[in-house]
Amino acid sequence: SQTIHQWPATLVQPVGSPLSLECTVEGTSNPNLYWYRQAAGRGLQLLFYSVGIGQISSEVPQNLSASRPQDRQFILSSKKLLLSDSGFYLCAWGGPGRGNSPLHFGNGTRLTVT
Amino acid sequence: SQQGEEDPQALSIQEGENATMNCSYKTSINNLQWYRQNSGRGLVHLILIRSNEREKHSGRLRVTLDTSKKSSSLLITASRAADTASYFCATDVDYKLSFGAGTTVTVRA
Repeated sequence: SQTIHQWPATLVQPVGSPLSLECTVEGTSNPNLYWYRQAAGRGLQLLFYSVGIGQISSEVPQNLSASRPQDRQFILSSKKLLLSDSGFYLCAWGGPGRGNSPLHFGNGTRLTVT
Repeated sequence: SQQGEEDPQALSIQEGENATMNCSYKTSINNLQWYRQNSGRGLVHLILIRSNEREKHSGRLRVTLDTSKKSSSLLITASRAADTASYFCATDVDYKLSFGAGTTVTVRA
C-alpha cells in the first residue's frame, strides 16, 4: 500500500533562518507531487507541483522554492523565512497523468516563524 | 486563486441529523472531489464525482453535481460525533486541485 511521510510535524523558526521540509512517498511510482499551504481557518493554497524528477511548477511567486531530487521525494525550502511564511504545510501525491485521481495527503508541518 | 467556495462556513448539528453543505465553482472541471480534515491533520479523500455524473453515493455520503449551475452538494446522513471535521470541495483543472475554504461541521452528542 502507498504511504506518504512528511516531517517535521512542528517547527518554530526565527525570521531570516532557512527552511527545509521533506516529503517522501512509498508504494507508488512516478506520482504527481504537491505542496500546499493552509492559513489558520482557511482553505489550501497550492504552492508547487511536480509531474516528474526535476520538473517543478510554481503557482505563487514567493519566498519559497521546491525541488524533486528523486521520484518519490519532494522538498520545500526557503533561504530566509518571513513572518508571513507561517502556516500549515501539506504535501500530497496523486496518480500520474492529468488529474482525475484523488490526492493523498501527509499529516502536515505546522511552521511558526517568530 | 480559489476556484471553489463552500457554504455554509460552519454547521452545528445534533448526532443523528443530516448535514448538507454546498460548493460553487467558477470554471469547467474534469471532476469534483470532497475531502475531510480533522483538526491539525492532513486531508482525507472522501468521494470523486466526474463531470458527466450527477449523483454518487459512498456509505453515508451522497454527492450531487450540477455542471449547469457549477455547483455540488455533500450530504452526510445520520451524523456521528466522529463526523466532526472540516469538509472541502476541490475542483480538478489539469494536474491541479483547487480547494475552497471549507465548511466546519460540529456534531453534538
